[in-house]
Amino acid sequence: GENVEQHPSTLSVQEGDSAVIKCTYSDSASNYFPWYKQELGKGPQLIIDIRSNVGEKKDQRIAVTLNKTAKHFSLHITETQPEDSAVYFCAASITYNFNKFYFGSGTKLNVKP
Amino acid sequence: EADIYQTPRYLVIGTGKKITLECSQTMGHDKMYWYQQDPGMELHLIHYSYGVNSTEKGDLSSESTVSRIRTEHFPLTLESARPSHTSQYLCASSRGDTQYFGPGTRLTVL
Repeated sequence: GENVEQHPSTLSVQEGDSAVIKCTYSDSASNYFPWYKQELGKGPQLIIDIRSNVGEKKDQRIAVTLNKTAKHFSLHITETQPEDSAVYFCAASITYNFNKFYFGSGTKLNVKP
Repeated sequence: EADIYQTPRYLVIGTGKKITLECSQTMGHDKMYWYQQDPGMELHLIHYSYGVNSTEKGDLSSESTVSRIRTEHFPLTLESARPSHTSQYLCASSRGDTQYFGPGTRLTVL
């Protein structure tokens, strides 16, 4: 089955700096890669996603890149703010196979004011 | 924003009690999921459903059971709770590719 690895497990940045979280996956059939943000006491919320036919996607301060050949994808947050502090999860899914999602182990991002 | 609800949000019970965690969604999604989230924050799939009357076990073995009698409702039951069941339980649903999560139930078994 699919195996998703996520690094780093914790990340501390100064407000205004950029943050990058990286994930690798093992199953070349995976074709959908969402990113979730989980704040304390809440469920994960989808923040951005990318499909295998796209190399990069951007939404304001958040961007995701995908390298299908190397089987890795990354989340980039620019101009970080204290409210970006949360746990971030990457996931991989094969959309034509029920849609089981395989999650990374999470990255705890701390943005210091 | 997704309309998926979980009750209760917090539950503290004694060993041996039977409990049901409720999950409902108003989006008409066919697929629903239950995840267990450990203190290290990893998400483990314990049950999923393709639709009404369909349930499957996930990747992590669980003593809980689920049912899907109505599209919008996917409750999880523990017949006899134990301290090892203490965890955060997250319900999710999807139609198409995107999965939406509920706020979670924090279960503590004493």
